[in-house]
Amino acid sequence: DTEVTQTPKHLVMGMTNKKSLKCEQHMGHRAMYWYKQKAKKPPELMFVYSYEKLSINESVPSRFSPECPNSSLLNLHLHALQPEDSALYLCASSQGFTSGVSTDTQYFGPGTRLTVL
Amino acid sequence: AQSVAQPEDQVNVAEGNPLTVKCTYSVSGNPYLFWYVQYPNRGLQFLLKYITGDNLVKGSYGFEAEFNKSQTSFHLKKPSALVSDSALYFCAVRDPDTGRRALTFGSGTRLQVQP
Repeated sequence: DTEVTQTPKHLVMGMTNKKSLKCEQHMGHRAMYWYKQKAKKPPELMFVYSYEKLSINESVPSRFSPECPNSSLLNLHLHALQPEDSALYLCASSQGFTSGVSTDTQYFGPGTRLTVL
Repeated sequence: AQSVAQPEDQVNVAEGNPLTVKCTYSVSGNPYLFWYVQYPNRGLQFLLKYITGDNLVKGSYGFEAEFNKSQTSFHLKKPSALVSDSALYFCAVRDPDTGRRALTFGSGTRLQVQP
């Protein structure tokens, strides 16, 4: 089973709202990722967690706050977003990293379509 | 720095004909290369990857890709296209020598297979 699930599928929020995106995998993967994808563009990396620790933050604004409560779950907390933050937010997971390098494959969830009004 | 280029925004092919989606890469060392497919309003699905070994890699749904080190290319191919192959295809690279533990994606190529 190579399934990554994401909830909700769609989210509409105002600029003053606080909301969260959720991602879950039960493949025993120890690396999890958040990507942002605008229409007709490639995914852009936002955050990487390795063994529940944040290992990459691609200079993402603080209105996006990731959280990895355990090895199966990844959240993205949203607060005071801007309309330009409207996009498809993709979660992915992979087996994890050994001493420095990972060759493993990232498996993506279906995404959450976020609209900020 | 690692980068990948997909020179064609769109590729059109008739059903039953062979298809090729092009990808070239730039890394400092030996690359790890991936192809993903994305259907409308969906996440990315893994098709195949090259890490080491045979230059011809076979993947899901009858797709294959050929790693060419001298040309720094990793083109995606399929002998006989199906209408259902119509989707957005992304090539991605990871350079293990940089320690960057994430993929860099190309800009994507839209494949349109006509009946």
